[in-house]
Amino acid sequence: TQLLEQSPQFLSIQEGENLTVYCNSSSVFSSLQWYRQEPGEGPVLLVTVVTGGEVKKLKRLTFQFGDARKDSSLHITAAQPGDTGLYLCAGVTHGSARQLTFGSGTQLTVLP
Amino acid sequence: SQTIHQWPATLVQPVGSPLSLECTVEGTSNPNLYWYRQAAGRGLQLLFYSVGIGQISSEVPQNLSASRPQDRQFILSSKKLLLSDSGFYLCAFEGFYGYTFGSGTRLTVV
Repeated sequence: TQLLEQSPQFLSIQEGENLTVYCNSSSVFSSLQWYRQEPGEGPVLLVTVVTGGEVKKLKRLTFQFGDARKDSSLHITAAQPGDTGLYLCAGVTHGSARQLTFGSGTQLTVLP
Repeated sequence: SQTIHQWPATLVQPVGSPLSLECTVEGTSNPNLYWYRQAAGRGLQLLFYSVGIGQISSEVPQNLSASRPQDRQFILSSKKLLLSDSGFYLCAFEGFYGYTFGSGTRLTVV
């Protein structure tokens, strides 16, 4: 069974602070996706990283895929209250259908 | 554009009653479709996926079943709900860049 461990599980910070969320696995994934979810809604895709060592930037968010394609990180610079939400990483494997294995989630709260 | 519709948004059902949650997709043909369940504030657990009409793969043995009677329709069912079936159920289809999720159904079994 493939598992993705996310840390921290909960994070509460002040507006303007920086933070990093980690996603780790013992399994290799063909790619890794990050989603953000708000209460009562479905997750929304933020980014997909495919190549080991790849770094992608989305405004104040920086995503990195580990060289061995087993881990990833999400770094947010100068967090804002609008960044509050549940962040989920998901590893992609290929079988009869592409399947996502989701991490346990990081609940981020940014206080004004 | 590709869209996904899931209903109802909330549902309260007594133990032992049947369940039917429906999901439809627009703007794409022959999509891979998925049903997930999510515990509060946690990750998603894959329940079923389908690569075509009538083709259902189950990931977790449980009290639920899924069907795909039409190309863009995916249904999650149960004949008799258990208290443990309570949760947030999400339908999704696979697009080119990633998964697109429905807005979810909050099921409470009482």
